[in-house]
Amino acid sequence: GENVEQHPSTLSVQEGDSAVIKCTYSDSASNYFPWYKQELGKRPQLIIDIRSNVGEKKDQRIAVTLNKTAKHFSLHITETQPEDSAVYFCAAILYGQNFVFGPGTRLSVLP
Amino acid sequence: DSGVTQTPKHLITATGQRVTLRCSPRSGDLSVYWYQQSLDQGLQFLIQYYNGEERAKGNILERFSAQQFPDLHSELNLSSLELGDSALYFCASSAQGQEWTEAFFGQGTRLTVV
Repeated sequence: GENVEQHPSTLSVQEGDSAVIKCTYSDSASNYFPWYKQELGKRPQLIIDIRSNVGEKKDQRIAVTLNKTAKHFSLHITETQPEDSAVYFCAAILYGQNFVFGPGTRLSVLP
Repeated sequence: DSGVTQTPKHLITATGQRVTLRCSPRSGDLSVYWYQQSLDQGLQFLIQYYNGEERAKGNILERFSAQQFPDLHSELNLSSLELGDSALYFCASSAQGQEWTEAFFGQGTRLTVV
């Protein structure tokens, strides 16, 4: 089955700086790559996703890039704010298979 | 509100006992996923159902079982509970039609085994 690695496990940035979280996946046939944000004590919620036929997608301060050849994808958050502090999970999914998430990255945005 | 409903929100029970967690997916979603999240840990995939049939199984213990009913709601049964089973259990649902779509999570059931 698919195996997803995620780095770093923890990340601290100053407010206003950028944050980058990277994930690698094992199954080259995976074709859907969502990112979820989980605030403390709350449910994970989708923040952005990308499909295998797209190399980059952007939504305001959040962007995701996908390199299918290298089998890795990254989440980029610019102009970080305190409310961006949360745990972020990536996933790499092959149609018909289950949602297996990476181990998560705890992002702390320092004021 | 994600549209996915989990009950109960909190559950406290003793070791050795059996509990049932319930999940009602979003209207129209055929896929249901169960995850276990221990304190400060990631989302451990347990099992997936699609339209009443088991689709995929993760690291689910033999003491745990699940099913999806004809009305598409799902139940996760945990038996012979141990202290280490204390965790937040999430259910998620997705449409899983022609393409992958977003998985929506319920608010979770916090299980405490004492």
